[in-house]
Order: sequence, then structure tokens, then C-alpha cells
Amino acid sequence: GEDVEQSLFLSVREGDSSVINCTYTDSSSTYLYWYKQEPGAGLQLLTYIFSNMDMKQDQRLTVLLNKKDKHLSLRIADTQTGDSAIYFCAHAGNRDDKIIFGKGTRLHILP
Amino acid sequence: NAGVTQTPKFRVLKTGQSMTLLCAQDMNHEYMYWYRQDPGMGLRLIHYSVGEGTTAKGEVPDGYNVSRLKKQNFLLGLESAAPSQTSVYFCASSYSTANTEAFFGQGTRLTVV
Repeated sequence: GEDVEQSLFLSVREGDSSVINCTYTDSSSTYLYWYKQEPGAGLQLLTYIFSNMDMKQDQRLTVLLNKKDKHLSLRIADTQTGDSAIYFCAHAGNRDDKIIFGKGTRLHILP
Repeated sequence: NAGVTQTPKFRVLKTGQSMTLLCAQDMNHEYMYWYRQDPGMGLRLIHYSVGEGTTAKGEVPDGYNVSRLKKQNFLLGLESAAPSQTSVYFCASSYSTANTEAFFGQGTRLTVV
């Protein structure tokens, strides 16, 4: 199957770390992505990871992949008000022509 | 460099009317996609294209048709609009799916009354 599951909401205090989780069912997924959508805008790619990697770090962002459990997470360190957005997990297979998205997690920042 | 441009940005249709949404990209991308975004449903793939002259069905293709006559344009048609097609529609393009970024347009908000 091609399902991608995410929780719909997450609230985090400013300055804390945010962890957004995603599970997927397609074991042939080769490329896994995190996209960010700000209000009234399209999606923008935040980061991606290959399925042969366990972790990828890029400034405040850390992506962890547990391929055995088909679990992907995005950690945002020192969460800021500008991080308030919807975050989408997505995947594509090696021979796939399609990028399949999860339902998105709305990150709300508490003062 | 405009990226991905969608027209129109907003539209209100009556049930049964037809319309075409236009997506244009200037990045020479092979792959183009149409998604719809609904509350609690995330992004669902309607149709996609892997090159000029080719189209394929996505997750929710019923009620829509597409054409890719030119590499830079991907048209989404609604022949007879229904209220269930009220949504925000996003077009995206990418060089390929593997290890590449998909670039999104700003969206078209369509309301069918």
C-alpha cells in the first residue's frame, strides 16, 4: 500500500524542540521527504532522506529514519514562531513516478 | 524565473459548469502533478504526467481530465463540476521523483455551489 500516516496536530512551546512523526507502509519507499506549508501558500521542500540512511541533520532540522519500523521523524530544535505551519511527510519509490503525501501535521507554537 | 504558476487563483463555479485550471512551469521539468488539498485529508494526487504527451491517474482521478500537450503546461479539466470538487488545487513539477525537489504552485481555491 501507499499510506502515509501522521498525527494532525502538535503544540510546542517556543524554544522547545518539536518532533513530528510519520509512518508509511510501502517498504519499497526509497526517498522520504518533509515539506512545509505556510498559510495560503504551496508546499516547500524542507529536507529529504534516502532509505539507506538512518539520520540526516541540517541546521535546526534532524530527520530520523527507522526503516525496519517504517517510521520517519522530523525534529526541529529551538522552535520559533516562524516554524508554525503544516508539515507533510511524503515518499517515492525507486521506480515510482508518484510522490505520495501524508495528511500533514499542523504545528502550533505556544508563547 | 517564475517557477510554477497556476491560473486562476480563485474561482466559483455552479454545479454542472466546466472549467480548466492551467499550470505552467519554466524549469524544463519532465514530471508534473495535480493534487487537491482538503481539510483532514492532506494532499491527494489526482493525475500526473512524466513527460510531454503522457498522463496517468493518481489516487482520486474521477471527475477530472488532464492534458500535457506542451512540456511546460499541465491542464486540469472539470467537465461537470460537483460540490465535492470544492477544494484547493495544487500543481507541482519536478525533474524526477527520485532525490529531487517538487516545486509547488500557490494553489487554486475552487468553490462549486
